[in-house]
Amino acid sequence: SQQGEEDPQALSIQEGENATMNCSYKTSINNLQWYRQNSGRGLVHLILIRSNEREKHSGRLRVTLDTSKKSSSLLITASRAADTASYFCAPGTSYGKLTFGQGTILTVHP
Amino acid sequence: DTEVTQTPKHLVMGMTNKKSLKCEQHMGHRAMYWYKQKAKKPPELMFVYSYEKLSINESVPSRFSPECPNSSLLNLHLHALQPEDSALYLCASSPVGGLGNTIYFGEGSWLTVV
Repeated sequence: SQQGEEDPQALSIQEGENATMNCSYKTSINNLQWYRQNSGRGLVHLILIRSNEREKHSGRLRVTLDTSKKSSSLLITASRAADTASYFCAPGTSYGKLTFGQGTILTVHP
Repeated sequence: DTEVTQTPKHLVMGMTNKKSLKCEQHMGHRAMYWYKQKAKKPPELMFVYSYEKLSINESVPSRFSPECPNSSLLNLHLHALQPEDSALYLCASSPVGGLGNTIYFGEGSWLTVV
């Protein structure tokens, strides 16, 4: 498996603004997953995008995948204070072994 | 709310103690995982069980001993740990194999080794 690299490492925004986080990876994948982790808690699965998909939506979340650039982005629209968390991408293979990047720490100020 | 349940939520143990972390899921998943997470770091994979058999051991020291008694349960036996083993231990499960399955995590067990 391989590790994603998130960018930026930290992001601070006001409530109502959009937040964009990016993930880059090195080798071919068949899917990429995004997870959220509130401080000291477990990871919550947000969305999985397969390598043959370019964009996926789930509520206020929009994920894109560009396999030619080996990159993905997570957009959170109309952010809320409750969105404050660490966000991790995890490029995946068929072997079920996820490796997480360092994550992006998102802070949404009320 | 997670459907992967971990106990205990907090554990303090001495370096000579023997303790266990427990994990349970009732989603019918046949793959289960242990991850270790240090403060301000991403989770790191330790072990993967597939159909109750150990399929991946990420070169974890033998003082950590996993056990999968049945398809719903996963234990992590701890013995002679070091203070640097203090961390959040996360259990997870997923359907086996396939083209990328979602992995579901528990809330974790906070371990402090004194």
